[in-house]
Amino acid sequence: GAVVSQHPSWVICKSGTSVKIECRSLDFQATTMFWYRQFPKQSLMLMATSNEGSKATYEQGVEKDKFLINHASLTLSTLTVTSAHPEDSSFYICSASGERGYNEQFFGPGTRLTVL
Amino acid sequence: DAKTTQPNSMESNEEEPVHLPCNHSTISGTDYIHWYRQLPSQGPEYVIHGLTSNVNNRMASLAIAEDRKSSTLILHRATLRDAAVYYCASGGGADGLTFGKGTHLIIQP
Repeated sequence: GAVVSQHPSWVICKSGTSVKIECRSLDFQATTMFWYRQFPKQSLMLMATSNEGSKATYEQGVEKDKFLINHASLTLSTLTVTSAHPEDSSFYICSASGERGYNEQFFGPGTRLTVL
Repeated sequence: DAKTTQPNSMESNEEEPVHLPCNHSTISGTDYIHWYRQLPSQGPEYVIHGLTSNVNNRMASLAIAEDRKSSTLILHRATLRDAAVYYCASGGGADGLTFGKGTHLIIQP
């Protein structure tokens, strides 16, 4: 299957700082990338959808000014959590779809964010 | 939005078949049905997906009800390595996936 990577795999930051998470499709061009959030012992919840070169579409209840998404190329999307607070601590997972199968989504390994 | 429901947990014995059910009664006509599995602190691993017809691959089989309101993931011969949380999801294409709450599959040796 297609490979999607995320960096960093985990990050700890102080409250009020910003954190950037990268999502890369390593062996295919991803026309669409998705960002999910998963709290402990819960399911994945879609946060936003981004298409290369255009603005992201956010799900209801997700603050677009707090979770900045950039999809500047067909292999890279970034999620920046601005002014992070402890309640933003979660497991952030990206997925990508594109030339490897329009209806398939290939998931990254996730990034564990802990805000102190 | 499609609502997807799954049992919280299921238990099976090693080397026996496992049938994991999922209800997606409000799924739209163009949404695919996807199954992923996840180990702790890892990203979801793709298992199988389909639209209307039953699907088979090297990992599992997917049986989709004729009205598409439910589906069943079939692991033909469970091993200890199949122990994980199995998620049923709907969506695909330009849309993100709506996940169920997942079924924690326990495999007894």
